[in-house]
Amino acid sequence: AQTVTQSQPEMSVQEAETVTLSCTYDTSESDYYLFWYKQPPSRQMILVIRQEAYKQQNATENRFSVNFQKAAKSFSLKISDSQLGDAAMYFCAYRVGGGGADGLTFGKGTHLIIQP
Amino acid sequence: KAGVTQTPRYLIKTRGQQVTLSCSPISGHRSVSWYQQTPGQGLQFLFEYFSETQRNKGNFPGRFSGRQFSNSRSEMNVSTLELGDSALYLCASSLLASGRGEQYFGPGTRLTVT
Repeated sequence: AQTVTQSQPEMSVQEAETVTLSCTYDTSESDYYLFWYKQPPSRQMILVIRQEAYKQQNATENRFSVNFQKAAKSFSLKISDSQLGDAAMYFCAYRVGGGGADGLTFGKGTHLIIQP
Repeated sequence: KAGVTQTPRYLIKTRGQQVTLSCSPISGHRSVSWYQQTPGQGLQFLFEYFSETQRNKGNFPGRFSGRQFSNSRSEMNVSTLELGDSALYLCASSLLASGRGEQYFGPGTRLTVT
């Protein structure tokens, strides 16, 4: 079974600084997708960024970028120029590709605190 | 485009009762997945529907069931509620049923079982 591990239950960063959230996963599949979701206090899950395993290039979305290390099964999220609105729970998620895919497998989450 | 909507947003039920939650996906999305979120177990996959067919099911007892209608709207039902069923139930919609499809979540239904 696939597992996703987020080893940092909580992280704190000063506004405008850069922070990196860690995620590792375990799978024997070669076709899969990785995601970072943000869940603010409203509890609405928001897709932040997605990475296809077959792509070597790291995904980037504005201030959010990932460091995807396939051999190490590592998928970290870097948030640059942190803003107060970035404060939330961040979940790393995995899903196998293909038509028979199960749902997303989530990590336990990292609570990100932004210090003004 | 309107996002994923879930009704009701909050629900209080008594142990032993049953409950039905509803989810309307983003227009054009044919895949709907359901997840349970609790402080202890985190986010867990319940099931996925695509074109009115259940494609995948997570490791939950048979008390949890669902269905999807021809307009892609989905309902999930929990029978004989237990205290442990108290959770945030999230629905997500996607264009594709495969792993390639990005899942977009609704605001959730907070179920409290007393």
